[in-house]
Amino acid sequence: QSVLTQPPSVSAAPGQKVTISCSGSSSNIGNNYVSWYQQLPGTAPKLLIYDNNKRPSGIPDRFSGSKSGTSATLGITGLQTGDEADYYCGTWDSSLSAGVFGGGTRLTVL
Amino acid sequence: EVQLLESGGGLVQPGGSLRLSCAASGFTFSSYAMTWVRQAPGKGLEWVSGISSGGGSTYYADSVKGRFTISRDSSRNTLHLQMNSLRVEDSAVYYCAKSTAYTSSGSDFWGQGTLVTVSS
Repeated sequence: QSVLTQPPSVSAAPGQKVTISCSGSSSNIGNNYVSWYQQLPGTAPKLLIYDNNKRPSGIPDRFSGSKSGTSATLGITGLQTGDEADYYCGTWDSSLSAGVFGGGTRLTVL
Repeated sequence: EVQLLESGGGLVQPGGSLRLSCAASGFTFSSYAMTWVRQAPGKGLEWVSGISSGGGSTYYADSVKGRFTISRDSSRNTLHLQMNSLRVEDSAVYYCAKSTAYTSSGSDFWGQGTLVTVSS
């Protein structure tokens, strides 16, 4: 059971938009920055979003992040087949004094 | 170019020990917090441990507290994870990751991972 809750799977057609939610509590998302990671099969995770809504250099603006209260959302527009991957949210938990991740969401581009 | 290269994984019996290392290059190692994250086969990411840029603050997941020790050697740009009293459930790919800033921040670069298998 992960501290952060994500839907197990989402799907959408190429070119469409999808959002992935991440729900937590005041001890984690509510008072700390959220990051989002993409993990393609057989590879290490890759940072997509940090500090709730900032994109590292090289990450296209098709990827966006937002946070409201104790929830965060990753948005992906203009879906491509290459976006098929597992997506994880992560943050710090001030009560645990530890990092925490969501259980991951598998994106299927139909 | 930032590079993180893990080593030290392998097969170990329950109750045994392993020491993972992560050789860092391409950035000022002493300026960034570092983290270990693991992923059991077919499972999601699990945060394991983090250490501040200077090494003075360390943090652990409850699942490894008291058994694992994180450390860093800034003279050698190397991060370590000493794992003792290993359990079958510690079997996973262990990733070393560089923080964007602090231990509580996201991780912007990851190594390729090293596989730890705990089995009799």
